Amino acid sequence: DAGVTQSPTHLIKTRGQQVTLRCSPISGHKSVSWYQQVLGQGPQFIFQYYEKEERGRGNFPDRFSARQFPNYSSELNVNALLLGDSALYLCASSIDSLDEQFFGPGTRLTVL
Amino acid sequence: AQRVTQPEKLLSVFKGAPVELKCNYSYSGSPELFWYVQYSRQRLQLLLRHISRESIKGFTADLNKGETSFHLKKPFAQEEDSAMYYCALYSGGGADGLTFGKGTHLIIQP
Repeated sequence: DAGVTQSPTHLIKTRGQQVTLRCSPISGHKSVSWYQQVLGQGPQFIFQYYEKEERGRGNFPDRFSARQFPNYSSELNVNALLLGDSALYLCASSIDSLDEQFFGPGTRLTVL
Repeated sequence: AQRVTQPEKLLSVFKGAPVELKCNYSYSGSPELFWYVQYSRQRLQLLLRHISRESIKGFTADLNKGETSFHLKKPFAQEEDSAMYYCALYSGGGADGLTFGKGTHLIIQP
């Protein structure tokens, strides 16, 4: 098993644009969580999905949204990008919402 | 709101010396505490969690509810321990995900 996979690896966008990041969980994992990691900081929780339902949301504006598909993969969407959205976006999967989280390699988003 | 504090941004020790990475938390309930590690060019991975009370790669951590601490310790540091270490808290229920500290960069000198 390749573990949690994320695409793309790197992304460059300009202010005001929209971006979609993708995550494929480990086979058998039904929960996906998204985190934002700004340089020099620890990961900050954005969303958790379990069985296609939103189970938790962190302190992020409504410009951030996510969804989970029937195959348990997930997308994170960010609208109206700001310079401050530049960060590493991490996806983590777990068997259920309370179990150990396994992290992907992340998507590096740069907003110019 | 919960918070995790790792006071040391960088910690440098010599090989064979003891290591202690500090972690303090604030949370009114009974949290679950974790240590995550990120080796160079690798993804973030779980090192240990307090409920399992295991020793992983020689590291241990004891939850001290009185001092609200969860320090990570190893009696004899090895060069392969050099990495970024993050302390994290889970409040339960899934609503808040994991709350991470800012991390400590551990460097083991030969």
